[in-house]
Amino acid sequence: EVQLVQSGAEVRKPGESLKISCKGSGYNFTTYWIAWVRQMPGKGLEWMGIIYPGDSDTRYSLSFQGQVTISADKSISTAYLQWSSLKASDTAMYYCALGATTGYWGQGTRVTVSS
Amino acid sequence: EIVLTQSPGTLSLSPGERATLSCRASQSVSSNYLAWYQQRPGQAPRLLIYGASSRATGIPDRFSGSGSGTDFTLTISRLEPEDFAVYYCQQYGSSRWTFGQGTKVEIK
Repeated sequence: EVQLVQSGAEVRKPGESLKISCKGSGYNFTTYWIAWVRQMPGKGLEWMGIIYPGDSDTRYSLSFQGQVTISADKSISTAYLQWSSLKASDTAMYYCALGATTGYWGQGTRVTVSS
Repeated sequence: EIVLTQSPGTLSLSPGERATLSCRASQSVSSNYLAWYQQRPGQAPRLLIYGASSRATGIPDRFSGSGSGTDFTLTISRLEPEDFAVYYCQQYGSSRWTFGQGTKVEIK
């Protein structure tokens, strides 16, 4: 069974760093793009970027370029989304998704940034 | 980046009615790589349509997608109570994928 399991909810202060994860199972982790999607409270879906774990080819939305880092460790079938300095405006639900047409999404990781 | 504009912002309909949702792209979507998602409150998005017109696994045939180039449509032939939700289009034909801003289908 294909699954994407994301790490749990996080609460951080502005300026802190954070790395959240998305672990894939039930398929060949290296041969599908993994996308990250942000959903701010009460708002729509925003595509942040994608990574191809096979060769770590990574592409970012222009809105998120330089604001986050997407990476993957194929040895443990896990993709990551990280921030070096969080802002209150990073408060959102973050989803990982397997490719664009598989329909498999993680359950979401809620990130709260508040002083 | 390709900008997707969905209309209307909100669609107020009754169960049993037909819903027609539009998604317009700022430039042609390569290979009609356009998907539609449904999102209910508190849930992750659910893939309905990919490749502009192919239904995803398990999606009822009351959902259909059409269009090409820059204009795409999602049609729900007869609304069921569980269909009242927010719908997003997404293009994945360019190196940077994008979502539309969403259309909310609400009960009239």
